[in-house]
Amino acid sequence: ILNVEQSPQSLHVQEGDSTNFTCSFPSSNFYALHWYRWETAKSPEALFVMTLNGDEKKKGRISATLNTKEGYSYLYIKGSQPEDSATYLCAFKSGGGADELTFGKGTHLIIQP
Amino acid sequence: NAGVTQTPKFRILKIGQSMTLQCTQDMNHNYMYWYRQDPGMGLKLIYYSVGAGITDKGEVPNGYNVSRSTTEDFPLRLELAAPSQTSVYFCASSYYPQSTDTQYFGPGTRLTVL
Repeated sequence: ILNVEQSPQSLHVQEGDSTNFTCSFPSSNFYALHWYRWETAKSPEALFVMTLNGDEKKKGRISATLNTKEGYSYLYIKGSQPEDSATYLCAFKSGGGADELTFGKGTHLIIQP
Repeated sequence: NAGVTQTPKFRILKIGQSMTLQCTQDMNHNYMYWYRQDPGMGLKLIYYSVGAGITDKGEVPNGYNVSRSTTEDFPLRLELAAPSQTSVYFCASSYYPQSTDTQYFGPGTRLTVL
């Protein structure tokens, strides 16, 4: 069983502030790292898929970085808005022909007006 | 496209009852997955399928069965429901799990076993 850890578990941020959180994954046999955004009462939606060490992806105010050598990815949100409130999941895919993703438990982000 | 659809949205079962959770996708995806999500836990893979007629166990398959007779449908069967199976169940699909291929999730089925 692969170990994918996310921290913190939950986070309260004031509207307008910027924030970031972490996903840690095995540094060996890396294939891809996915980020999903999961709003309450909805289903997870894909944000980014990252494959290369040093990758940086951006979507509006949200960006992510990837370090495969040390096994971590950061998700950044700039100028948080109430609609950013959600659980952010990362999912690791190993090489060697594995078909499935291993999900972390998520970081639950609450933006306070 | 409707994407990934799941029925029912909610269900309450008594211990020992059986039921089938339905999942259908209209994106012609090869791969389909069933996850369960418990409070404070991540998504745990129950079963997955790489194509019609082929299924494989995930991390937590005990107490469940699946079948994949068509590309579109991937039902999950609970034969003897137990309280430990109280959870939210998500079905997902992807065209092919290459590195850049994301999974598309259904809206979930909330199951309570009493």
